[in-house]
Amino acid sequence: EPEVTQTPSHQVTQMGQEVILRCVPISNHLYFYWYRQILGQKVEFLVSFYNNEISEKSEIFDDQFSVERPDGSNFTLKIRSTKLEDSAMYFCASRPVANTGELFFGEGSRLTVL
Amino acid sequence: GENVEQHPSTLSVQEGDSAVIKCTYSDSASNYFPWYKQELGKRPQLIIDIRSNVGEKKDQRIAVTLNKTAKHFSLHITETQPEDSAVYFCAASDPNSSGSARQLTFGSGTQLTVLP
Repeated sequence: EPEVTQTPSHQVTQMGQEVILRCVPISNHLYFYWYRQILGQKVEFLVSFYNNEISEKSEIFDDQFSVERPDGSNFTLKIRSTKLEDSAMYFCASRPVANTGELFFGEGSRLTVL
Repeated sequence: GENVEQHPSTLSVQEGDSAVIKCTYSDSASNYFPWYKQELGKRPQLIIDIRSNVGEKKDQRIAVTLNKTAKHFSLHITETQPEDSAVYFCAASDPNSSGSARQLTFGSGTQLTVLP
């Protein structure tokens, strides 16, 4: 069964450093998302992406964040200057063009900012 | 935007008993309501979903009910087993908005513990 894959599974970084989290959505999906989950809290929406542009973004997704689809398969989340409060699990998700509504999540990338 | 409230935050039941988790939503345009199960350190996985044109949906031991008038929906797990222990999240979405990739808004989660 096709899956959303994410790398790295865990990244430790120093405050102020740039981080890039990578995702490979399921190949026939057209809608892509990034969510984050701070330890023990709910899953929070960051940004959605469709047709090579951001569709929606939340208040969390400020100027420090950016997303890119540099080629036909990868979908990346960049945090320019990490802060301690960026420590969280970041989930990539994708959805097919059919209106099933279901989001397929990756395994997540745990980011630890020291 | 959409706001989803979920309760209880924790729920302990004896193996074999039923568990019920309830959610309310604020946006009357939402018409898709999935439930995700998340085991410790794992990705959220869809266990059941319901659309607004249906009042109830069942899949073996799991059922979801939806009351659109009251804007609430519930997850029912019968004959619970220890492997049902996990965090359960409800969510709401309007995935049919044209031109946009409407996201899911999640509830705060319920830690379900099934005691053997």
